[in-house]
Amino acid sequence: RKEVEQDPGPFNVPEGATVAFNCTYSNSASQSFFWYRQDCRKEPKLLMSVYSSGNEDGRFTAQLNRASQYISLLIRDSKLSDSATYLCVVPRWGNTPLVFGKGTRLSVIA
Amino acid sequence: GAVVSQHPSWVICKSGTSVKIECRSLDFQATTMFWYRQFPKQSLMLMATSNEGSKATYEQGVEKDKFLINHASLTLSTLTVTSAHPEDSSFYICSARGRDRYEQYFGPGTRLTVT
Repeated sequence: RKEVEQDPGPFNVPEGATVAFNCTYSNSASQSFFWYRQDCRKEPKLLMSVYSSGNEDGRFTAQLNRASQYISLLIRDSKLSDSATYLCVVPRWGNTPLVFGKGTRLSVIA
Repeated sequence: GAVVSQHPSWVICKSGTSVKIECRSLDFQATTMFWYRQFPKQSLMLMATSNEGSKATYEQGVEKDKFLINHASLTLSTLTVTSAHPEDSSFYICSARGRDRYEQYFGPGTRLTVT
């Protein structure tokens, strides 16, 4: 099983839509989880950390299910500027090094 | 704070030559640096982890004699791609982590094209 696996995508959604991305991880001892965003030809940027109780940041909601080793990201009211690749990231030990999933490409269409 | 720079941002070289990429932490001391590689439409793949003053630890399948990593100071790590071939063309991204900090901060990446 790969360390981090994600929905293959791509997701093409209209503006205003709600979209959800899923991710599974193999290391049951992992303690930290993140969602990163990567724009074309740019470095990845931290979107949000994922906490055990779930957390929300504006239109973005992250959920963690430790029993299933599953992480999700929900984007509500999609904007054109949300178009990017979303990367599920789980550190291999403790907090580093970061191991990236393949990413899910999102295109928000006007 | 926590700015990481890379140089060059892009480079084109001929097959068989060597290319050096620099990664610098500008406003913090990077005790650990990571080098990633990303092929088109693929995710970032960790190549190696280096701690200041120590030899780098390479991921399985990454040739340490081909990808030379030096982390001689707390603000600089270099990746040298030796005898580059077209299949080494990729986006190379470094990341740095400071002492007592768990975040990894990413450089802007270096796009290498080997002709």
